[in-house]
Amino acid sequence: GNSVTQMEGPVTLSEEAFLTINCTYTATGYPSLFWYVQYPGEGLQLLLKATKADDKGSNKGFEATYRKETTSFHLEKGSVQVSDSAVYFCALRLYNFNKFYFGSGTKLNVKP
Amino acid sequence: DTGVSQDPRHKITKRGQNVTFRCDPISEHNRLYWYRQTLGQGPEFLTYFQNEAQLEKSRLLSDRFSAERPKGSFSTLEIQRTEQGDSAMYLCASSPTPSAGRWPGELFFGEGSRLTVL
Repeated sequence: GNSVTQMEGPVTLSEEAFLTINCTYTATGYPSLFWYVQYPGEGLQLLLKATKADDKGSNKGFEATYRKETTSFHLEKGSVQVSDSAVYFCALRLYNFNKFYFGSGTKLNVKP
Repeated sequence: DTGVSQDPRHKITKRGQNVTFRCDPISEHNRLYWYRQTLGQGPEFLTYFQNEAQLEKSRLLSDRFSAERPKGSFSTLEIQRTEQGDSAMYLCASSPTPSAGRWPGELFFGEGSRLTVL
């Protein structure tokens, strides 16, 4: 089947620390991969995406590389800010299918 | 505001009552999705529309749930005879039809409608 597994949270970091949130996937076809972010009181919004192996998605200092050999799409940021505190969801979508499959989310708390 | 809007944002009801949620997608988007999110979990797919046609329904969508999109614009999700297990956040999302120039289409989410069944 199709599924996404994320590391459990919450993740608590100090400002300017390095962030990694692990994401691995299982897919019956060739997926596109996404990271969505949900800030407190807001809806989910797309953070970044990658459509094929070895693609790197990036946005707002966050990066994730599509690794087909390890079926992973880990999210990284070199220096987190308090404003990055949110819940992060990894997701996949198969080509020509309409459903997104989401991981369970990882809550990030960044302390000043 | 041209984003996806949902109403109401929060509904508290007693077990056995019916509830209805409304979603207004981004106007030029012809695909509309309903997802459900429970505490500590990611969104789970419920159903999706292409214009007014409901093209796919999840097994999660029991016969107490019904969704419509009568004119291909806004959509409603009705839950009949609510149960405590229906308590969740109901998310609506829309997207344009994917094409060669904009695959893969991302989902644009509303802020959700939180249902609490007492």
